[in-house]
Amino acid sequence: GAVVSQHPSWVICKSGTSVKIECRSLDFQATTMFWYRQFPKQSLMLMATSNEGSKATYEQGVEKDKFLINHASLTLSTLTVTSAHPEDSSFYICSASGSLNTEAFFGQGTRLTVV
Amino acid sequence: QKEVEQDPGPLSVPEGAIVSLNCTYSNSAFQYFMWYRQYSRKGPELLMYTYSSGNKEDGRFTAQVDKSSKYISLFIRDSQPSDSATYLCAMSQINDMRFGAGTRLTVKP
Repeated sequence: GAVVSQHPSWVICKSGTSVKIECRSLDFQATTMFWYRQFPKQSLMLMATSNEGSKATYEQGVEKDKFLINHASLTLSTLTVTSAHPEDSSFYICSASGSLNTEAFFGQGTRLTVV
Repeated sequence: QKEVEQDPGPLSVPEGAIVSLNCTYSNSAFQYFMWYRQYSRKGPELLMYTYSSGNKEDGRFTAQVDKSSKYISLFIRDSQPSDSATYLCAMSQINDMRFGAGTRLTVKP
């Protein structure tokens, strides 16, 4: 299947700092990218959907000023957690789908720990 | 009502058993149906992908979609300990993809 690379795989940051997570589609053009967070033993929670060149659409309850999403090209989307706090510690996963927007392929996930 | 309902389990079966995993959904606009497998601390990987109603088989895995009942299933034959993981159903239409809660499966040797 298609490859989606997510970086970094884990990051530890101090409270109050910002962290950027990258999601790249390596062998296809990702028209749409999805960002999720996952708490231990819980399901994926969709945070936002972004289409290349457009502003992201955030799910209800997700602060768009805190979780900045940029999808500037067909192969790269970034999620920036601004002014991170310990409660933002979670597993963040991106997925990408092509122009037909049918199946999606996931990145490896980023484990964020805010201390 | 959630758009996608999936029993979170946990489900524990002996090695060699047939496993049945299911999801129901409410949005009849969904056209594409997927099953993902997620090992602990990893991103989900796509297992099966089906368009519209019908069956699809891939080795020990069979996916079934019944759009009239809004019900999808994943069957695992001859289950192995390596199948122990969380299985998530997903369904999509243009610009919208939704996931079930995931069922945690343990296959005991």
